[in-house]
Amino acid sequence: GAVVSQHPSRVICKSGTSVKIECRSLDFQATTMFWYRQFPKQSLMLMATSNEGSKATYEQGVEKDKFLINHASLTLSTLTVTSAHPEDSSFYICSVELPGETQYFGPGTRLLVL
Amino acid sequence: GENVEQHPSTLSVQEGDSAVIKCTYSDSASNYFPWYKQELGKRPQLIIDIRSNVGEKKDQRIAVTLNKTAKHFSLHITETQPEDSAVYFCAASGGGGADGLTFGKGTHLIIQP
Repeated sequence: GAVVSQHPSRVICKSGTSVKIECRSLDFQATTMFWYRQFPKQSLMLMATSNEGSKATYEQGVEKDKFLINHASLTLSTLTVTSAHPEDSSFYICSVELPGETQYFGPGTRLLVL
Repeated sequence: GENVEQHPSTLSVQEGDSAVIKCTYSDSASNYFPWYKQELGKRPQLIIDIRSNVGEKKDQRIAVTLNKTAKHFSLHITETQPEDSAVYFCAASGGGGADGLTFGKGTHLIIQP
């Protein structure tokens, strides 16, 4: 399978600040990565599909200007939560899909906005 | 878009008994159905998956069945053990290389010793 890392694993920030989360595919060059969000005791919800070298595709209801995605290389996608508010507090998880296989998830980033 | 329903939300079984979790999906174009196990605070881990050209797949104590006509698929865990306790999610996607997963709401499986 693919080895996926995320950084940071945990972040606490003040309301109104921006937070950047990195997702790295360590052993596979991924043209596509996915970003999910998981609120406590809830399921994973797909936020957007990150495409290397082009714009991300956002799911309905996800604000593209608030959740900025950059996929500048085949091994790195970043998600920036701009002007974060307490309701953005969540578990953010990225994934990489190997062709013909399944998606492999990163360890997740727990964001707490005060 | 795709919609995945999962039942039950909580399932408590005696150790050694079997557990069954069921999911239905809405998009007939979906062709890939993975099951993930998630422990508290950790990433989802794939436990088994099935594609639409197969009706059943088994891996030791875990099996998945798929009924394309009825658009439902099920996870079966036999001889349950305490370490099986976790939240289980079913998911569906088009499987076309750039399709995100649509997840069910999850089932909290509790194995009673």
